[in-house]
Amino acid sequence: GENVEQHPSTLSVQEGDSAVIKCTYSDSASNYFPWYKQELGKRPQLIIDIRSNVGEKKDQRIAVTLNKTAKHFSLHITETQPEDSAVYFCAASWGDSNYQLIWGAGTKLIIKP
Amino acid sequence: NAGVMQNPRHLVRRRGQEARLRCSPMKGHSHVYWYRQLPEEGLKFMVYLQKENIIDESGMPKERFSAEFPKEGPSILRIQQVVRGDSAAYFCASSSWTSGGRSYEQYFGPGTRLTVT
Repeated sequence: GENVEQHPSTLSVQEGDSAVIKCTYSDSASNYFPWYKQELGKRPQLIIDIRSNVGEKKDQRIAVTLNKTAKHFSLHITETQPEDSAVYFCAASWGDSNYQLIWGAGTKLIIKP
Repeated sequence: NAGVMQNPRHLVRRRGQEARLRCSPMKGHSHVYWYRQLPEEGLKFMVYLQKENIIDESGMPKERFSAEFPKEGPSILRIQQVVRGDSAAYFCASSSWTSGGRSYEQYFGPGTRLTVT
């Protein structure tokens, strides 16, 4: 079946450095790619998303890039801060129905002071 | 505009009892998704519903679990004869569908933490 692979499973970076999380997907019909952040004990929250007609999208310190040919997309966080510590999930829309998402397994991001 | 609401937030059940989890989607949203999350693990898709219809229940165990999203009222995830392995956080999410048929982001509720003793 279709799947989304996410790497790394754990990422530890020094405060102020950049963090990059990568995902690959298998369904060539996927056209919507959101990223969610989940803090400990909280709900997942959408932080940024990108659609297949765009190669890059930025929102302050967060950016997402998409390479449709290679079927991978990445989350970039610059100037990391302690509050960036969380689990991050990527997802890809399932086929052309757009109603469902296929989820990555998550990346635990640890920001070291 | 109120967000996705779930209740109860915490639910304790003894083995063999029934658990009912409720989810009220955001206003204007007609798609509801249920996910299960074990501690330190990812989101596991369970079921996707639209009003009065189950669209995809491929992630839901065939026995003891059921879900509904009636014309009026919240979506309900029902777990009969709970076992210790059912202990988890259950999240629901809702989304809308634009007239252009494009996908829309899923907004999550705060979750229900089910503990089976």
